[in-house]
Amino acid sequence: DQQVKQNSPSLSVQEGRISILNCDYTNSMFDYFLWYKKYPAEGPTFLISISSIKDKNEDGRFTVFLNKSAKHLSLHIVPSQPGDSAVYFCAATGNYGGATNKLIFGTGTLLAVQP
Amino acid sequence: EPEVTQTPSHQVTQMGQEVILRCVPISNHLYFYWYRQILGQKVEFLVSFYNNEISEKSEIFDDQFSVERPDGSNFTLKIRSTKLEDSAMYFCASSGDGQPQHFGDGTRLSIL
Repeated sequence: DQQVKQNSPSLSVQEGRISILNCDYTNSMFDYFLWYKKYPAEGPTFLISISSIKDKNEDGRFTVFLNKSAKHLSLHIVPSQPGDSAVYFCAATGNYGGATNKLIFGTGTLLAVQP
Repeated sequence: EPEVTQTPSHQVTQMGQEVILRCVPISNHLYFYWYRQILGQKVEFLVSFYNNEISEKSEIFDDQFSVERPDGSNFTLKIRSTKLEDSAMYFCASSGDGQPQHFGDGTRLSIL
């Protein structure tokens, strides 16, 4: 069941540059999307979210863009820092329950920020 | 910052034995969840719990699984008779009303 897809298993970026992580979804009932960061031996840490009524949400260095017609979202990190190196998961939920419904996760993208 | 805490961090159990994974959600949260991640696979939803009952469960969450909130602070996942394929990282999460889910660091369950 590939309702949420992250097609890039890994991404390498130079420190100070922009990191762009992509996510595609297939279920049109999804109405809330989240990005989580995960370090080894830790649980996923919430980063940023976006509701389907918006197309952009920004929090400091992190911006999430949502293109509903394309069923695509992306996470931009500017500027990238070595501490951003982690696995990034896209997650989606729906049925108008907001964030409290079950999350459907993508497979994750390993981001490596090179000093 | 408040955290979701899970114990133990690693549990090794013989196949067929019962195991209980424990979680202490963030204190003012109302919604509780269990997810698991088999090595090399996605994080998968198991069950959600609200107002002292299961809100939703996945196909994975069969009769061998149960959840309980025995007191005001703990949230447990029990697997009655473990199978080899239950080996995974199990993550507990909690959330406030309409808020993002916050995850614990997980329990690594190894079934021998």
